[in-house]
Amino acid sequence: SQTIHQWPATLVQPVGSPLSLECTVEGTSNPNLYWYRQAAGRGLQLLFYSVGIGQISSEVPQNLSASRPQDRQFILSSKKLLLSDSGFYLCAWSTGGQGAYNEQFFGPGTRLTVL
Amino acid sequence: ILNVEQSPQSLHVQEGDSTNFTCSFPSSNFYALHWYRWETAKSPEALFVMTLNGDEKKKGRISATLNTKEGYSYLYIKGSQPEDSATYLCAIKSGGFNKFYFGSGTKLNVKP
Repeated sequence: SQTIHQWPATLVQPVGSPLSLECTVEGTSNPNLYWYRQAAGRGLQLLFYSVGIGQISSEVPQNLSASRPQDRQFILSSKKLLLSDSGFYLCAWSTGGQGAYNEQFFGPGTRLTVL
Repeated sequence: ILNVEQSPQSLHVQEGDSTNFTCSFPSSNFYALHWYRWETAKSPEALFVMTLNGDEKKKGRISATLNTKEGYSYLYIKGSQPEDSATYLCAIKSGGFNKFYFGSGTKLNVKP
């Protein structure tokens, strides 16, 4: 069966510090991978998605970047955190391809607080 | 970026009440709609996937309908139970890429 891991679970970082959140998927190959953020009182915002190694698409301009160094590894990074980067970050995967029924499976999330 | 709207933002009902909420989306370039249930301290889990106009899905006491021509979906819960308390998210998948656009969710609280 497939599992998705995300770490750390919680993180408190000062403004201007770097960030690295990691997500790995087990039990599947060539998945589509996603990073979402939920800011306080808001819905899930798609930040990045990837259909393969080294292929990253960004949905909105922001202070964050993503990388996919391996097939089942997705990393979210920042060089200098802003207060507005605080939120709940979710990684998700879906079966590769563009099928309508390819549901997403979410990781446990990371609560990031920038002070 | 697709604008997906959900209403109401939150809902408080008594155990045994039936309830429903709405997901609205642009009807052009529609590909699929997914409903997710997100319980506190857990990850979102898929409830339904709907693609065709007029689709109706049912799982136990929860059901959903889809109108792609006018751009909305309803989620119904019959006889709400405290364990139904969660945030219900809808997500639209547009054609072309495997991307999902989520609404802000409806937070349901069922009081015993």
